[in-house]
Amino acid sequence: DVKVTQSSRYLVKRTGEKVFLECVQDMDHENMFWYRQDPGLGLRLIYFSYDVKMKEKGDIPEGYSVSREKKERFSLILESASTNQTSMYLCASSSIHEQYFGPGTRLTVT
Amino acid sequence: AQSVAQPEDQVNVAEGNPLTVKCTYSVSGNPYLFWYVQYPNRGLQFLLKYITGDNLVKGSYGFEAEFNKSQTSFHLKKPSALVSDSALYFCAVNGVSFGNEKLTFGTGTRLTIIP
Repeated sequence: DVKVTQSSRYLVKRTGEKVFLECVQDMDHENMFWYRQDPGLGLRLIYFSYDVKMKEKGDIPEGYSVSREKKERFSLILESASTNQTSMYLCASSSIHEQYFGPGTRLTVT
Repeated sequence: AQSVAQPEDQVNVAEGNPLTVKCTYSVSGNPYLFWYVQYPNRGLQFLLKYITGDNLVKGSYGFEAEFNKSQTSFHLKKPSALVSDSALYFCAVNGVSFGNEKLTFGTGTRLTIIP
């Protein structure tokens, strides 16, 4: 089975802190994604990566950056966390039109 | 641009009755269509997909979905609902012309099965 893991299930950070969310997949997938999920808004794509060191902005990249130094790992970075970035963050990897999701990180910024 | 609409935020169905969760889409070119389910405090799980071929697609847990090109719809169905089907359901689309794996998701429908 494909496994996508995320470094934390729950995270509480203060406004202005730099936050790293880590995602690792074990199926050698080329594509990886970061979404945020908010009630009533569904999943919105923040960034995606189709190869090592390659990245593209999604629909809501403002306030975020990403890093993909190794194929299996895709990191989401909040340079200076703000309260409006309180959300559920979901990572996914994909192969042949099917995305596999991690369990999510619920981030609270106070 | 591609988009997905799930017109119902909430669907309630009695246990044992048939259920339908609606989804319509808009893409340029032929669509790839997906349904995912999310149980409380969990990530999304893949249910089924339509890529090409038979318009009726069967998936996990007894779910199926019908692709209707003329109505640009991909409704999720199950003949007999179980209480364990209660969850949040997302429809997603990828336009083939995009040439990548990027999905656009709907806003989700919360399905509650009433015992």
